[in-house]
Amino acid sequence: KAGVTQTPRYLIKTRGQQVTLSCSPISGHRSVSWYQQTPGQGLQFLFEYFSETQRNKGNFPGRFSGRQFSNSRSEMNVSTLELGDSALYLCASSRQGQGVTDTQYFGPGTRLTVL
Amino acid sequence: GESVGLHLPTLSVQEGDNSIINCAYSNSASDYFIWYKQESGKGPQFIIDIRSNMDKRQGQRVTVLLNKTVKHLSLQIAATQPGDSAVYFCAENMSYGQNFVFGPGTRLSVLP
Repeated sequence: KAGVTQTPRYLIKTRGQQVTLSCSPISGHRSVSWYQQTPGQGLQFLFEYFSETQRNKGNFPGRFSGRQFSNSRSEMNVSTLELGDSALYLCASSRQGQGVTDTQYFGPGTRLTVL
Repeated sequence: GESVGLHLPTLSVQEGDNSIINCAYSNSASDYFIWYKQESGKGPQFIIDIRSNMDKRQGQRVTVLLNKTVKHLSLQIAATQPGDSAVYFCAENMSYGQNFVFGPGTRLSVLP
């Protein structure tokens, strides 16, 4: 079974631009979560989508948004990029996450550099 | 490779020895815990999990211990190998859904 895939793997943007990252979960998984990883802050939860609805949200500004499609694929968008948005963005999927917490499996991440 | 954390606590062990990595979690209501391994340039890889109704769980060469009284989690790796060198994270979950809180991580370095 294929794992979680993320595209692109690397991205370079300049301040003020916006970016869209994509995540394809493991087949059969309906929950997709996004995390930001930086050396200073570690792994921080951004949001989780289940059945095309945002179910949980972390403490990030509104510039960070996401969505999920009917096939469970997800995208996250960051608008008006800042230097501090440079990070590894990780996507994780789980089977259903409904009623009981499920194991999360991570993709390889998208390395975003903001210049 | 990419740096996961610049000032992570580091555990150095000799190849073949057992490793114990510790984690203090934050919320007494957390009911599900996962240990992840992250190698340079890769996403976190699932190692083992445990729910709060258990205090010990074993996998292949790994054991997780949960002490709810002191909110402490540990990962034991038997016969540590060079391929075990990585950063290890514990993650806890207490809410409906998949909102995990991650610890800062520990870098495991296996010496030949």
